[in-house]
Formats: sequence, structure tokens, C-alpha cells
Amino acid sequence: DVKVTQSSRYLVKRTGEKVFLECVQDMDHENMFWYRQDPGLGLRLIYFSYDVKMKEKGDIPEGYSVSREKKERFSLILESASTNQTSMYLCASSSRIRTSRKASYNEQFFGPGTRLTVL
Amino acid sequence: RKEVEQDPGPFNVPEGATVAFNCTYSNSASQSFFWYRQDCRKEPKLLMSVYSSGNEDGRFTAQLNRASQYISLLIRDSKLSDSATYLCVVKAGSGNTGKLIFGQGTTLQVKP
Repeated sequence: DVKVTQSSRYLVKRTGEKVFLECVQDMDHENMFWYRQDPGLGLRLIYFSYDVKMKEKGDIPEGYSVSREKKERFSLILESASTNQTSMYLCASSSRIRTSRKASYNEQFFGPGTRLTVL
Repeated sequence: RKEVEQDPGPFNVPEGATVAFNCTYSNSASQSFFWYRQDCRKEPKLLMSVYSSGNEDGRFTAQLNRASQYISLLIRDSKLSDSATYLCVVKAGSGNTGKLIFGQGTTLQVKP
């Protein structure tokens, strides 16, 4: 079974702090994603990465950066946390390789999420 | 206009009812479509892919209408355990970045 883990389930930080959210997947997936989920707005893509050291901006990258030094790990960094970054953060991974399972190609597997509160 | 639009609901139905969710997408070049399920305070998980010919998985039927850019999910004989948010998902463009576009989700509450 695919496992995507996130470093914390709940996190409380103060405005201006630097925040690191870590995500690790154990399925050798090429693609990794960071989303935030807010009521009424759904899942919004912050950044994604399709290979080690590669990154692409998603729909709402402002105020965030990412790092992918190893294939299994994708980090989201809030350089200077602000109250409007209070949200649920979800990491996901997917494979770019077709397998015998029809649904596995492009299927994203999510971590349990990190509920971040910025005071 | 949002790239993927869904009626957020909530849909409140009795056990045993049949319920249908609809979704529209704006990019006519989209090639792959999915329904994900998200339980309260949990992460989204793939429910089923949506194929051009329509597909069924037990009580769940997914249909795609490319001409109208419309996707549907039908749930028959609703169970209490079907209560969740259902996310309509479209693969972005024709490239191979793996990027998916998620709708806002439709909330279903099945009552006893």
C-alpha cells in the first residue's frame, strides 16, 4: 500500500515564523504536490514537483517555497508565516508510469494533512 | 469561471435513496476524469476513474459527456457510510505533469 506521511498533524506558529512542512512517500513516485484546503474554496495547488530538484508553481504559490532534494521527500516552506496561511495542508504523490491497474496512472495518494494555525 | 464546478450541496438523503452529483469542466482538452471521496477530517481518496463509455463499480456509476463537458456520479441504495464529500477531479491538459484540478466538492449526508 502507498503511504504518504506528513511531519505533523497539528501545528501552531506565530506570525513571522519560518515554518517547514515535511512530506514523505514510500512508493518511489515521481510526482509530488502540496495543496491547501479551506472551507468553500476546496483544494488549491500551491506547488508541485515532477522530479528531484524540479518544482513548478501551482495556483497559489505566493508566500510559499518548496524543496525536493530527494525523490521521496517534498518540503513546503512558509518563509514568514501570516494569519491568512492558517489552513489544512495536504501533500500528495503520484506515479507517471502506467501500471496494470487502470486507476493507478495519475492517481494521487494523499497524506493525512497538517492543520496549521498561525497566531 | 472555475475550471471544475460542482454544486457544494449539502445533499441530505434517506438511506436507500438514489442520488446523483454533477460536475462541469471548462477545458475541452481534458483527457482524464476522476471522482475522489473525502471523509470528514480525512484526506481525499480515489473513488473511481471516469471512462468515456461510462463505468460502474457496485452501487456507483460514473458517466462522462465530452460534448457538454459534464461528469456525473450516481449512487444507488445509499448507505450511512456513503456520507462524505465527493470531489470531481480533472487531469490538467494533455501533458504528463500529473497535475489534477479538483472541484470544490459536493457534500452528501445520508440519514437513517
